[in-house]
Amino acid sequence: DIVMTQSPDSLAVSLGERATINCKSSQSVLYSSNNKNYLAWYQQKPGQPPKLLISWASTRESGVPARFSGSGSGTDFTLTISSLQAEDVAVYSCQQYYTTPYTFGQGTKLEIK
Amino acid sequence: EVQLVESGGVIVHPGGSLRLSCAASGFTFDDYAMHWVRQPPGKGLEWVSLISWDGGTTYYSDSVRGRFTVSRDNSKNSLFLQMNSLRAEDTALYYCARDPLRGTGSWTGYFDPWGQGTLVTVSS
Repeated sequence: DIVMTQSPDSLAVSLGERATINCKSSQSVLYSSNNKNYLAWYQQKPGQPPKLLISWASTRESGVPARFSGSGSGTDFTLTISSLQAEDVAVYSCQQYYTTPYTFGQGTKLEIK
Repeated sequence: EVQLVESGGVIVHPGGSLRLSCAASGFTFDDYAMHWVRQPPGKGLEWVSLISWDGGTTYYSDSVRGRFTVSRDNSKNSLFLQMNSLRAEDTALYYCARDPLRGTGSWTGYFDPWGQGTLVTVSS
């Protein structure tokens, strides 16, 4: 199975500042035939189901604010929130869909400092 | 509006069985593969199962293979998860989720959107 490891486990950032969450996969999730990274990011607020933010490592879903961006390739990925807003307090999880079993990182809890 | 509504979660004894349902609306159900994903209380997400648009292909995580069976009834826009030989470690909020890839007979493997979940508690 591909193991997904996020860092840090928790993060406190001041409003308006940048938040960076890292995700590392135990093997590459870059599919060479189409040069796509099979990596998604989700946001989960308390009491709510996860919400898809980013797919293919860097493609922001419709309606997701532009302050959210994804980057990286192969085994190392980053979710960046450029200017933290109060409504961004949540747990963020990465997920690989390169192969079954599809696997998630353990989640990173983002709070306001 | 796309909606996924899970039901069937209850408290069940170890070794027991349960059938979860997911009612889909707001989209052409048989255009999409579907997934079950679970989340133990206070913990992270775990993918459980995938079923293709026609039910002809299914995949399971190692932790549930042989005990859980995913199925669907496209005439009723419904997804199911039959859970047998339940264990304490199966205690979780179970979400159904749609695969985003439409109408190709295939799937991507990520999840959008998700239902609100139904809670399964396995306890004596």
